[in-house]
Amino acid sequence: DVKVTQSSRYLVKRTGEKVFLECVQDMDHENMFWYRQDPGLGLRLIYFSYDVKMKEKGDIPEGYSVSREKKERFSLILESASTNQTSMYLCASSNRVRQPQHFGDGTRLSIL
Amino acid sequence: QKEVEQDPGPLSVPEGAIVSLNCTYSNSAFQYFMWYRQYSRKGPELLMYTYSSGNKEDGRFTAQVDKSSKYISLFIRDSQPSDSATYLCAMSEGAGTALIFGKGTTLSVSS
Repeated sequence: DVKVTQSSRYLVKRTGEKVFLECVQDMDHENMFWYRQDPGLGLRLIYFSYDVKMKEKGDIPEGYSVSREKKERFSLILESASTNQTSMYLCASSNRVRQPQHFGDGTRLSIL
Repeated sequence: QKEVEQDPGPLSVPEGAIVSLNCTYSNSAFQYFMWYRQYSRKGPELLMYTYSSGNKEDGRFTAQVDKSSKYISLFIRDSQPSDSATYLCAMSEGAGTALIFGKGTTLSVSS
């Protein structure tokens, strides 16, 4: 079974902090994705990566950056956390030539 | 016009009922269609995956895609309380590309 592991289930940070969310997949997938999920807004794509050191902006990249130094690991960085970034963050991965995406269990991030 | 529309519910049914969940979409280039199930405080779990038009069955679950009408459905037969969750439809134009999600339908099955 595909396993996508997100480093923290719950995280509380303060405004202005730099926040790192980590995601690791064990299926040698080329593609990795970061989404945020908010009530009434659904899942929105923040960033994705098709290969090591490659990144592409999604629909809502403002205030975020990403890093993919190794194939299995994709990090989401909140450069200076703000309260409107309080959300559920979901990481996913997929094979290059076919769907579907497989998700981790999410990190529920609260910015105070 | 939103790309993918999904009725948020909530939908409440008694145990054993047949459940129909639906999504409509506007982008005729979508070829890959998925249904995910999401329990509270968990990530989405892949339930069904279909390419192009047609039906796919897996146990109590049947996924249908009608590309001419831009309409997809998920049917759950003999629904169980353990089916209570939020169901998300998702679709994409090509393999490995980003998914476009519906906002999810919350289903509650009572015993």
